[in-house]
Amino acid sequence: GDSVTQMEGPVTLSEEAFLTINCTYTATGYPSLFWYVQYPGEGLQLLLKATKADDKGSNKGFEATYRKETTSFHLEKGSVQVSDSAVYFCALIDYGNNRLAFGKGNQVVVIP
Amino acid sequence: GAGVSQSPSNKVTEKGKDVELRCDPISGHTALYWYRQSLGQGLEFLIYFQGNSAPDKSGLPSDRFSAERTGGSVSTLTIQRTQQEDSAVYLCASSGGGALTGELFFGEGSRLTVL
Repeated sequence: GDSVTQMEGPVTLSEEAFLTINCTYTATGYPSLFWYVQYPGEGLQLLLKATKADDKGSNKGFEATYRKETTSFHLEKGSVQVSDSAVYFCALIDYGNNRLAFGKGNQVVVIP
Repeated sequence: GAGVSQSPSNKVTEKGKDVELRCDPISGHTALYWYRQSLGQGLEFLIYFQGNSAPDKSGLPSDRFSAERTGGSVSTLTIQRTQQEDSAVYLCASSGGGALTGELFFGEGSRLTVL
């Protein structure tokens, strides 16, 4: 089935630093792509999405661009805050199985 | 309620015991999903309910796992004869339009620890 792959390991950075979390996908077609975020003690929530190639999803200062050429949907934020500390999940719609397929997630820790 | 509600939030059990986890989806949502979140493994799909259709059980890891959804609303995930490898956070999510929109609303999860 269709799948997404996220970069390995947690990410630790200082406040106001630039954040990038890599996500690549494998799919037979062009699925909609998503980033979900899980803040400490809370359920996952949708952060942003893109439904077709070259679309840019954005929310709360985060951005991700759907790149068909590189099958990627990297998440970026120019200046992180301590409140951005969370686990971030990349996901796609697996139309064949009618479900969301998630990556393994990346723990992001922002240090003051 | 305002969001997806799961109970219990934490459950510690002994190996071999049965456990039941409950999910109350957002009112009116027809689609309901169970996922399992294990350390380092991301989110693993377990089962999907859509309206009155037969559920998609293809993600259930063994026949010790089962789930039902009564009246198109509340769902219960049951794990029989629990094993230590069942320890994980079990997440429930609901959606008004099914997975094709991609926007799922998650509960906070039920953390299961099997001793």
